[in-house]
Amino acid sequence: GDSVTQMEGPVTLSEEAFLTINCTYTATGYPSLFWYVQYPGEGLQLLLKATKADDKGSNKGFEATYRKETTSFHLEKGSVQVSDSAVYFCALSDSGYALNFGKGTSLLVTP
Amino acid sequence: DAGVIQSPRHEVTEMGQEVTLRCKPISGHNSLFWYRQTMMRGLELLIYFNNNVPIDDSGMPEDRFSAKMPNASFSTLKIQPSEPRDSAVYFCASSLGLAGGREQYFGPGTRLTVT
Repeated sequence: GDSVTQMEGPVTLSEEAFLTINCTYTATGYPSLFWYVQYPGEGLQLLLKATKADDKGSNKGFEATYRKETTSFHLEKGSVQVSDSAVYFCALSDSGYALNFGKGTSLLVTP
Repeated sequence: DAGVIQSPRHEVTEMGQEVTLRCKPISGHNSLFWYRQTMMRGLELLIYFNNNVPIDDSGMPEDRFSAKMPNASFSTLKIQPSEPRDSAVYFCASSLGLAGGREQYFGPGTRLTVT
């Protein structure tokens, strides 16, 4: 079945460091891919998405490119801020309607 | 826009009691999803509705769990009887349509503790 694998956390970075969170997927069809972010005590919010191969999703300085050849959708940001501390979830939606989430990666950014 | 509203935000109950979680989706959204989040299992989809009709309840863990959506603006998730292993954060999400690629909007969650 469809699945998403994310890198284990927690990830701890200093402010202004470069961020990469790896995400790979397994799917039988041509899924849409998403990154959601969960701030402490809140629900998940969509950060960015891509619906077909080679699409790049971007938002708030975060980017991820849909790579079909490597079945990956890695999240990157050039310069993280303390306010980016949160849990990040990679997810896919294939022929079904529901989102299939990864386990989440916790990010802590220190001043 | 108020977003997805869930109540209560926190619920503490004793094993064997009935628990009812409530959700009001975003106005105009016609799809609603219930998820459960735990440290061990991450985010799990329990059930989803389209136009108030349950489409897939294969994620509901057992018969103790039931969900209803009597109208477009209200859904409930009921656990009867509750057990300690049901302790988790339960999220409701809504979207406009069901097609893949549609953004789901999540509520703040209900943190359930069963003692």
